[in-house]
Amino acid sequence: EAGVAQSPRYKIIEKRQSVAFWCNPISGHATLYWYQQILGQGPKLLIQFQNNGVVDDSQLPKDRFSAERLKGVDSTLKIQPAKLEDSAVYLCASSIGTGRNEKLFFGSGTQLSVL
Amino acid sequence: GESVGLHLPTLSVQEGDNSIINCAYSNSASDYFIWYKQESGKGPQFIIDIRSNMDKRQGQRVTVLLNKTVKHLSLQIAATQPGDSAVYFCAENMGSSGGSYIPTFGRGTSLIVHP
Repeated sequence: EAGVAQSPRYKIIEKRQSVAFWCNPISGHATLYWYQQILGQGPKLLIQFQNNGVVDDSQLPKDRFSAERLKGVDSTLKIQPAKLEDSAVYLCASSIGTGRNEKLFFGSGTQLSVL
Repeated sequence: GESVGLHLPTLSVQEGDNSIINCAYSNSASDYFIWYKQESGKGPQFIIDIRSNMDKRQGQRVTVLLNKTVKHLSLQIAATQPGDSAVYFCAENMGSSGGSYIPTFGRGTSLIVHP
């Protein structure tokens, strides 16, 4: 079974530039998550999708971050403009649903460095 | 704020020893917990889970204990191997206002296994 695919693997940009990350979840998984993981910390949820709808985006900095999952399969996360504090690993995960006992399957992440 | 947290950021053990990683949670209504392992350069990977109607659950070389009285859980790894070196996170699926569940992570414990 193919896992969660993410690209690019690494990205280096200067502050105020834009960047986009792509994620393809496990086939059949309705729920997709984007997490931000700052060095030395646990993953922090940015946004959760159920099919093509947003379930939770309460922690997404909407002035600069946006995400979409138009067809309910793959998803993109964009930062525009980037700040130094956005340097982190951006993890995509998927699960079958949004129930109480869901287990997440993660991709390897995109490591973003903002200079 | 975070509802799960770990007591020690780093744990060093000798190969062959047993390891115990602890986690505290603050929400007494929490009823499902998951341990994830994150190796360097990879996303977190599911290890084992436990529901609140259980005190103990065993997997292959791993055991999770749950003490609801003091809101504490632990991950025990038997006969620790160099391949167990990673960061370990406990996570809980917290209910959101939208009716779904959001996997929420603590800070993590870095396990270092010395040969």
